[in-house]
Amino acid sequence: ETGVTQTPRHLVMGMTNKKSLKCEQHLGHNAMYWYKQSAKKPLELMFVYNFKEQTENNSVPSRFSPECPNSSHLFLHLHTLQPEDSALYLCASSQAGRMLNQPQHFGDGTRLSIL
Amino acid sequence: AQKITQTQPGMFVQEKEAVTLDCTYDTSDQSYGLFWYKQPSSGEMIFLIYQGSYDEQNATEGRYSLNFQKARKSANLVISASQLGDSAMYFCAMQRQGAQKLVFGQGTRLTINP
Repeated sequence: ETGVTQTPRHLVMGMTNKKSLKCEQHLGHNAMYWYKQSAKKPLELMFVYNFKEQTENNSVPSRFSPECPNSSHLFLHLHTLQPEDSALYLCASSQAGRMLNQPQHFGDGTRLSIL
Repeated sequence: AQKITQTQPGMFVQEKEAVTLDCTYDTSDQSYGLFWYKQPSSGEMIFLIYQGSYDEQNATEGRYSLNFQKARKSANLVISASQLGDSAMYFCAMQRQGAQKLVFGQGTRLTINP
């Protein structure tokens, strides 16, 4: 099993659809993250979960709804998205806590296209 | 606020040569960490190397080393003996003490020519 697995790898959806992105980590970590990577923009942190509890929401629109049922799984539920939401969505995990030398490990990402 | 600047949008290097990717940062924090990630065309962000602001030695990991100059606020990545598989986007990132947020730069696209 690879460290952080994301499904699906590619997703095309209409603006009225509802879909979910899934992330699973096999690293024994207890912090998980969603990042958005748009063309020509730096990666942007969206949400942080520590021990299943959401600890950061960086002003993300409510059309993105995260869910973390346990420390190994993270979902991003999508509904009524806009064309500007087309991007690569990356999931990451790390040891929880505020130690600096705990790198975040990323999955392959889901490339999302909104029609 | 923290900011990461990578001034080289693209770099082209001959195979087996060494390459330096530039990264400068701006922060008022005293304690922070600096990271480099590699992103191949497949999309995955691969962690390469970490440098703590209080580390006295430059970090090294195999062919990767970090040229850390704290007074100049720079953390350049050096790749020795480049290989074709090193072709990818490279991102410099910073994390402040007490936070989990990584702040990323715009990235540098490295192309290794045979």
